[in-house]
Amino acid sequence: DAGVIQSPRHEVTEMGQEVTLRCKPISGHDYLFWYRQTMMRGLELLIYFNNNVPIDDSGMPEDRFSAKMPNASFSTLKIQPSEPRDSAVYFCASTQTSGRPYNEQFFGPGTRLTVL
Amino acid sequence: DAKTTQPPSMDCAEGRAANLPCNHSTISGNEYVYWYRQIHSQGPQYIIHGLKNNETNEMASLIITEDRKSSTLILPHATLRDTAVYYCIVRVDLSNFGNEKLTFGTGTRLTIIP
Repeated sequence: DAGVIQSPRHEVTEMGQEVTLRCKPISGHDYLFWYRQTMMRGLELLIYFNNNVPIDDSGMPEDRFSAKMPNASFSTLKIQPSEPRDSAVYFCASTQTSGRPYNEQFFGPGTRLTVL
Repeated sequence: DAKTTQPPSMDCAEGRAANLPCNHSTISGNEYVYWYRQIHSQGPQYIIHGLKNNETNEMASLIITEDRKSSTLILPHATLRDTAVYYCIVRVDLSNFGNEKLTFGTGTRLTIIP
């Protein structure tokens, strides 16, 4: 398997623009997570899904952020409108819980977002 | 989930064993200790986890004290590629259901010195 795939790897946009980050989890995994990492706040969980259903979005900073998972192999994180303080590295991760005694989350390479 | 405390940084000579401590004095009986690491510009990577027994895999060993209030991650023969931030995380393991969240702290920045 190719692992968790994220696109784009780098995104530079201007304040006010819409940004869409994409993630393809590992095939067969039933959980998908979106994290954000900044120097100031470290690695924060934004939202996670189980079987395509959002379970906990308490980490989503505000209404400008939204996430969807239309099917088991694709998820998006959208920021509209984007602001400079959204600049960060966004990671997607997935895990398979069925039949496993523990959860090992597999992380993608991340998308580095810069909002000017 | 229980809070963890780790030193912010450590150095280790290449080829020597790297011992990374973690305090989790408020850990509950059903909480596991997980270790992840993050190499620069990459996503975090799972290393190992344990409940109360010592654990070893191809990457590292995990030593958990008898009272479970602290643990040590051991990289037996550190290489330059082990330079990374190491996160100790304590969480309840509910297997096929429940809370799958991982809460990352600030971790320990380990630098392997040639």
